[in-house]
Amino acid sequence: AQSVAQPEDQVNVAEGNPLTVKCTYSVSGNPYLFWYVQYPNRGLQFLLKYITGDNLVKGSYGFEAEFNKSQTSFHLKKPSALVSDSALYFCAVREDGGYQKVTFGTGTKLQVIP
Amino acid sequence: DGGITQSPKYLFRKEGQNVTLSCEQNLNHDAMYWYRQDPGQGLRLIYYSQIVNDFQKGDIAEGYSVSREKKESFPLTVTSAQKNPTAFYLCASSPVADLANTGELFFGEGSRLTVL
Repeated sequence: AQSVAQPEDQVNVAEGNPLTVKCTYSVSGNPYLFWYVQYPNRGLQFLLKYITGDNLVKGSYGFEAEFNKSQTSFHLKKPSALVSDSALYFCAVREDGGYQKVTFGTGTKLQVIP
Repeated sequence: DGGITQSPKYLFRKEGQNVTLSCEQNLNHDAMYWYRQDPGQGLRLIYYSQIVNDFQKGDIAEGYSVSREKKESFPLTVTSAQKNPTAFYLCASSPVADLANTGELFFGEGSRLTVL
């Protein structure tokens, strides 16, 4: 069965500093990996995805993520955090092929401190 | 505008009552999903459907039912058998994955159900 782990419930970072939100995954085949962001009482918004190719993926709002197959990780990064980045971030995985089941992590709350 | 519409946004229900949450999409997506969100537990998959008249149980399907009679619609019924139904429910859709599409999800704004 596929699974996703987000080991940090909350990440605090000062505005202007780089941020990292961690994600590790487990699938039996090739993974499709995603990051989503959620603002309070709203649906999730897609940020970026890794399908194949370059291990560094760039997405919306200056975010990027690095796929590491040997460590089965897909950490979300941003060089300089903004207060407006404060939100709940979810990592998700879908296995290549098969039925369209997408599995989410438990989420990491990012707090950017002015 | 294309998108996913969930209704109602807020719903209150007495114990023992069934309630149906609506999800409609005009994105022409084949796959649709229902997730439940609880604080500290992230999103858990209830049901998903890849094509009309077909759907699969997710990880927490007990006490829920769905139908997929039309491509655009995927209503979720929370039955009285669901022991702890108070939660935030999210509907999503995606194109069926192929070489061009990779199945990222498009979410509605959610429905918050409270059982009194």
